[in-house]
Amino acid sequence: SQTIHQWPATLVQPVGSPLSLECTVEGTSNPNLYWYRQAAGRGLQLLFYSVGIGQISSEVPQNLSASRPQDRQFILSSKKLLLSDSGFYLCAWSVQAPVAFFGQGTRLTVV
Amino acid sequence: AQSVTQPDIHITVSEGASLELRCNYSYGATPYLFWYVQSPGQGLQLLLKYFSGDTLVQGIKGFEAEFKRSQSSFNLRKPSVHWSDAAEYFCAVGGNNDMRFGAGTRLTVKP
Repeated sequence: SQTIHQWPATLVQPVGSPLSLECTVEGTSNPNLYWYRQAAGRGLQLLFYSVGIGQISSEVPQNLSASRPQDRQFILSSKKLLLSDSGFYLCAWSVQAPVAFFGQGTRLTVV
Repeated sequence: AQSVTQPDIHITVSEGASLELRCNYSYGATPYLFWYVQSPGQGLQLLLKYFSGDTLVQGIKGFEAEFKRSQSSFNLRKPSVHWSDAAEYFCAVGGNNDMRFGAGTRLTVKP
């Protein structure tokens, strides 16, 4: 069966520090991969999606970037975190788009 | 542009009472529609989805939703709420490569 792993579960980082969140999917090939951010009390905002290795689409201009170095690996990065980057980050995958399955999320607090 | 509106930020119901969570969408074509549930600090779990066909769809945990094209709505219902249903509920509309989420409705269940 397919599973999605997202880590770390929680992260506290100082302003100006770099960020790397990793997401991997098992049990499927060539999935669509997504990064969402959920700010407190708000819905989910699509940040990036990828339909294949090296193919990244960005939904909103921001301080973050994404990469897909392998078929089932999706990485969310930042060179310098801002306070406004705090939130709950969710990775998701789909094969029979657009049904998406979500990881357990990463709670990022920038201090 | 596609968008999703969940008019109710927070709803409180008594255990055993019926539930209806509202969702309205804006989409240029026939949409794919979803309801997800999120427990605190967790990822999202798919409750049900509508792609085509019967406009009344059944999901997990006793939930159902009805697609009404004339009202651009996809309301979620459950005839009898259980205390374990307390969570955040998200409506979403999707295309092939992305999904847009509403801001969510937080459900509190009174004993």
